[in-house]
Amino acid sequence: GAVVSQHPSWVICKSGTSVKIECRSLDFQATTMFWYRQFPKQSLMLMATSNEGSKATYEQGVEKDKFLINHASLTLSTLTVTSAHPEDSSFYICSANRVSDNSPLHFGNGTRLTVT
Amino acid sequence: AQKVTQAQTEISVVEKEDVTLDCVYETRDTTYYLFWYKQPPSGELVFLIRRNSFDEQNEISGRYSWNFQKSTSSFNFTITASQVVDSAVYFCALSAYGQNFVFGPGTRLSVLP
Repeated sequence: GAVVSQHPSWVICKSGTSVKIECRSLDFQATTMFWYRQFPKQSLMLMATSNEGSKATYEQGVEKDKFLINHASLTLSTLTVTSAHPEDSSFYICSANRVSDNSPLHFGNGTRLTVT
Repeated sequence: AQKVTQAQTEISVVEKEDVTLDCVYETRDTTYYLFWYKQPPSGELVFLIRRNSFDEQNEISGRYSWNFQKSTSSFNFTITASQVVDSAVYFCALSAYGQNFVFGPGTRLSVLP
C-alpha cells in the first residue's frame, strides 16, 4: 500500500536554530502535501498546503517566513522551522495527496519537535 | 466552511463495554469524504475508515462499526466489547474532494481493565 515517510520522527534543538522535516511519498506521486501541527491534547490544525513546483499556501496565522515549505519534487516536501523557539515545540505531521486519487489519505508518522 | 464536532472530549469505559464516539460535521460540498483515525500515545495516525458522501451504507469491521447518516450530518463510531488496547484519541475528519482534512477536536477514550 501507499506509504508516506516522515523524517525525523523526533528532534530536539536549541532555541534559535533551524530544523528541517521531510515528508516523502514512497510509492506514489503527490502533487499536494499538507502540513499539520498538533499541540499537546489538541487536534491537528492545518498549517499549509504544499504544491509541487509552486509556492505553498499558508493558513491564517501561520508565519510563512518562519515555516518554510519546499515541494521540489512529486515525492518530497520539506518543512523548515527557522529560528525555532520553545513555543514551536509541537507534533508536526504531513499528509500526501496521491495524484490519481484526490482524497488525501496517507499520513506520515509525525515529527515531535522539542525546542530547548 | 467546513467543521467537525466531536462533543465527547473524554470517555471512560470498563473493558468489554460498548462505546460510541459521536461525530457531527458541516460542509456545503456535495462530494466529500469522512474519516476516522486513531491516535495512540505514540502519536501516529492510524487510519480506520473512509466513507464518501454518496455511500451511506453502514460498515462493520470486527469490533468496529460506523453509522453514517447524511440527514443528521453524523458519522458515529462504535466499538463493541472494548479492550484496553482501544485506549487512544480518536479523530473524526472531513475532506472535500481534493482538499485538506478538517479534523474534529478528538475524543480521548480510556478503557479500564
